[in-house]
Amino acid sequence: KNEVEQSPQNLTAQEGEFITINCSYSVGISALHWLQQHPGGGIVSLFMLSSGKKKHGRLIATINIQEKHSSLHITASHPRDSAVYICAVKAAGNKLTFGGGTRVLVKP
Amino acid sequence: DADVTQTPRNRITKTGKRIMLECSQTKGHDRMYWYRQDPGLGLRLIYYSFDVKDINKGEISDGYSVSRQAQAKFSLSLESAIPNQTALYFCATSDPDQGKLFFGSGTQLSVL
Repeated sequence: KNEVEQSPQNLTAQEGEFITINCSYSVGISALHWLQQHPGGGIVSLFMLSSGKKKHGRLIATINIQEKHSSLHITASHPRDSAVYICAVKAAGNKLTFGGGTRVLVKP
Repeated sequence: DADVTQTPRNRITKTGKRIMLECSQTKGHDRMYWYRQDPGLGLRLIYYSFDVKDINKGEISDGYSVSRQAQAKFSLSLESAIPNQTALYFCATSDPDQGKLFFGSGTQLSVL
């Protein structure tokens, strides 16, 4: 079993819809990252969080340490949000373990 | 200019060849990483370095070596490339205070 599980693996939404991506992990962590990988391959860091909630524009990330779960929400989704969203957890040793990613397609 | 620059962007090579992938950064970060990405799998750590004199193996270091020539430069070598090393390779740096990651654009390597 992977230490970091993301769901769903694939998601298709209509423009304007609210999108939720989930990340569950099995180990104790000090921080969790959400990353965005665009079709061209480049990876951008969206959030790093260790508790509570962070918001940037239309993106909201939450984490529940007790439940070992994080969610990434996209409000008023737009076709330019189409990308692969990756969750990564920072456990012992300062190393990251990555989930397999959620492929999001937003149709106009 | 990009904060983290990888060269080349694409490379096709043959089994048994020695290949070097290069990474340079302008962030001034001590921490640098090499990852590989395979379809359907999460990024996996090959090697990492927390400063110029520090080199550490990641989870999949066999068949790879690295060199940290300076704070800004971290290169990855495949001594004798094999087809299952065909993958997308990423270099990254991290800010130890904020923990934010900065990735290069990736190098798509194909070993025939």
